[in-house]
Amino acid sequence: DAGVTQSPTHLIKTRGQQVTLRCSPKSGHDTVSWYQQALGQGPQFIFQYYEEEERQRGNFPDRFSGHQFPNYSSELNVNALLLGDSALYLCASSAGKRYEQYFGPGTRLTVT
Amino acid sequence: GEDVEQSLFLSVREGDSSVINCTYTDSSSTYLYWYKQEPGAGLQLLTYIFSNMDMKQDQRLTVLLNKKDKHLSLRIADTQTGDSAIYFCALGGYNKLIFGAGTRLAVHP
Repeated sequence: DAGVTQSPTHLIKTRGQQVTLRCSPKSGHDTVSWYQQALGQGPQFIFQYYEEEERQRGNFPDRFSGHQFPNYSSELNVNALLLGDSALYLCASSAGKRYEQYFGPGTRLTVT
Repeated sequence: GEDVEQSLFLSVREGDSSVINCTYTDSSSTYLYWYKQEPGAGLQLLTYIFSNMDMKQDQRLTVLLNKKDKHLSLRIADTQTGDSAIYFCALGGYNKLIFGAGTRLAVHP
């Protein structure tokens, strides 16, 4: 049974560019959450998708947007990249309103 | 606002018990979690406790919750070198999780 998968593993972008990160949830899971983890810090909640809708959003600007597809996979888009967007982006999946969230390995984004 | 605090570093000898502590301000969370992160990896869910419980034991792991003091702890019995990692305390439910900054556990011979 595959766990949560994310792509790409690493990404280098330039300030002002746009980036798309992808996540496939664990088999049987229909809910995807995205987190940003800056170096030396704990993950910060960006948003959560359930039934292709954004169910909850954290304190992130509108430059951060997302999408969930009918197969429950999800994308995180970040526009107008800033140096401060450099971080590990983690995707977590869960089943409906169950309380266990399982994380993928993350995508390391570097903005230069 | 919601705040979760952890001590940054803990060093223990192999075979000893480790106790990692966490304090929080928000008492409305349904569940409290412990996650483990090894270098360059994502987060591994270790265990979690429902907010109306005081204790949960899961093999070498024991979670204690003191709701009055808003204090959560994770005890690892017989700590091994493979337990060296960063441990995160998190609060939440089925949606948003709020994490502490993590405690780096170093296990030495």
